[in-house]
Amino acid sequence: EADIYQTPRYLVIGTGKKITLECSQTMGHDKMYWYQQDPGMELHLIHYSYGVNSTEKGDLSSESTVSRIRTEHFPLTLESARPSHTSQYLCASSESHRHEQYFGPGTRLTVT
Amino acid sequence: SQKIEQNSEALNIQEGKTATLTCNYTNYSPAYLQWYRQDPGRGPVFLLLIRENEKEKRKERLKVTFDTTLKQSLFHITASQPADSATYLCALARGGNEKLTFGTGTRLTIIP
Repeated sequence: EADIYQTPRYLVIGTGKKITLECSQTMGHDKMYWYQQDPGMELHLIHYSYGVNSTEKGDLSSESTVSRIRTEHFPLTLESARPSHTSQYLCASSESHRHEQYFGPGTRLTVT
Repeated sequence: SQKIEQNSEALNIQEGKTATLTCNYTNYSPAYLQWYRQDPGRGPVFLLLIRENEKEKRKERLKVTFDTTLKQSLFHITASQPADSATYLCALARGGNEKLTFGTGTRLTIIP
């Protein structure tokens, strides 16, 4: 079982609020990722990091931002939530020289 | 950009039979291809990885084949069980440090 955690699991919040989705892993993985997934749709990469102080935007444009100050922690922030941000957000990590990714349980975000 | 097609959104198989799922891709030939399992409301779980120079990979009741000429991977579950019911995702990457592109998945139901 992979040791990667996401909090909160579910979040319902009003438009305009600032939110931070937490992701932590205890495996010492250098690479970490954030994906967005709508029901019945594929995962879309929105951010990734190959190590501390390294962050890049993914293939899907997102208004969220991320930071990587510690190896184990990769939080995602939305400065002003909108209904269009309603989705499931999945965090993942992988070792530097291996390709398989380990996913957290996800955060289901609903913006009203 | 790479496009991935996975056969039929849903597949129903009788318990004990072999389930075969298909993943077809266009454009570039990936360096490796992965299969993940995703249960409702949870993050994907890595199952198998196959490289472009490998024809077949096995793990317990699972078997993956990779045909770069046909641009296709087949994922087999032998002696299927109701517990195998889930959505199975195909994902591929061009190279070692490349990001994964995911298919939309096939929802497999094993009927007792």
